[in-house]
Amino acid sequence: GDSVTQMEGPVTLSEEAFLTINCTYTATGYPSLFWYVQYPGEGLQLLLKATKADDKGSNKGFEATYRKETTSFHLEKGSVQVSDSAVYFCALSDWGGSEKLVFGKGTKLTVNP
Amino acid sequence: DADVTQTPRNRITKTGKRIMLECSQTKGHDRMYWYRQDPGLGLRLIYYSFDVKDINKGEISDGYSVSRQAQAKFSLSLESAIPNQTALYFCATKDRTGELFFGEGSRLTVL
Repeated sequence: GDSVTQMEGPVTLSEEAFLTINCTYTATGYPSLFWYVQYPGEGLQLLLKATKADDKGSNKGFEATYRKETTSFHLEKGSVQVSDSAVYFCALSDWGGSEKLVFGKGTKLTVNP
Repeated sequence: DADVTQTPRNRITKTGKRIMLECSQTKGHDRMYWYRQDPGLGLRLIYYSFDVKDINKGEISDGYSVSRQAQAKFSLSLESAIPNQTALYFCATKDRTGELFFGEGSRLTVL
């Protein structure tokens, strides 16, 4: 079945450091890929998405490129801020399957001043 | 006001009690979902509904039931709560692009 594997955390960085959170997937169809973010005490909210190969999603300085050849969707940010501290979830939605959204286990990011 | 509203936000109950978590949405989406979040396990799908007459089990539906009372309302029930159902529960809706919109969560503790 479809699955998402993302790097385990927690990840701790200093402010202005470069961030990469790895995400790889397996899917039988042609999935859409998402990154969701969960700030402390809140629900998940969409950070960015990509619906086809080579698409780049971007938002709030974060970027991720849909790489079909490596089945990856790594999240990057060039300079993190304390306010980026949150849990990040990679997810896929396989429209060729049951339309369920499959989540990775989440990566907790802490950014120190 | 939030587009997806869950009640209650926090609930402590005892083993064997019946619990209902309610969800209402103002986004006008047909598709609604109930997820459970546990530390280190991410989110797991409990039930989902494509419309009032179409309800489907997710990967962990045992011990849970749902009711889609209207397009805007989707409730989750635990008929006889047990301690391993202690978790954070999220309701969500989905739009036609596949984006999910989450409520703020309902934290359930079963003693």
